[in-house]
Amino acid sequence: DIQMTQSPSSLSASVGDRVTITCRASQSIGIYFGTYLNWYQQKPGKAPKLLIYAASSLQSGVPSRFSGSGSGTDFSLTISSLQPEDFATYYCQQSYSTPVTFGQGTRVEIK
Amino acid sequence: EVQLVESGGGLVQPGRSLRLSCAASGFTFDDSALSWVRQAPGTGLEWVGFIRSKAYGGTTEYAASVKGRFSISRDDSKSIAYLQMSSLSSEDTAVYYCTRGSGDYTDWGQGTLVTVSS
Repeated sequence: DIQMTQSPSSLSASVGDRVTITCRASQSIGIYFGTYLNWYQQKPGKAPKLLIYAASSLQSGVPSRFSGSGSGTDFSLTISSLQPEDFATYYCQQSYSTPVTFGQGTRVEIK
Repeated sequence: EVQLVESGGGLVQPGRSLRLSCAASGFTFDDSALSWVRQAPGTGLEWVGFIRSKAYGGTTEYAASVKGRFSISRDDSKSIAYLQMSSLSSEDTAVYYCTRGSGDYTDWGQGTLVTVSS
């Protein structure tokens, strides 16, 4: 199974801050034919929402302050200017192979 | 508009069975894979499994933690996917989400809570 490790597990930040969350896969999750790494946002009591797919593609309707980067085993999600509605938990996920696996989550809290 | 609506959750005793349903609308159900993802209280997301479309054989894949106990099926005539769960234990207590696709999950249901307790 491919293990996904996110860091940090939680962070405190202020509105307007630039925030970066990292995700490391235990093995490469695609290079030439595509990268199978997605990012989700989840708010309490709600279903997750897809933000970024294929490591760096912005899902339709997601604000441009969200961006993703990385390849191979190392990936990151960046929020360029944190907004009040961005306080939530973020998960990375690999869909390169089954079982599909998620990172443990990063909780973004208000400082 | 894509809609996925789960139902069938509730309180169930350890060792018993339960079947969840996922009613879909707003997309071509026949052409889509359907996945189940669960989330135990206060924890992260765990993939349960998925079923491919009939065009890809309608075959299924499962997480090791549920393989042999859970079964996913689909009724394309009704646009419904099912998650049949048996030999339930307290470790299966979670909110169960239905999602569209087998990899990047663009659409999710609201989830249904399954509580396994005596």
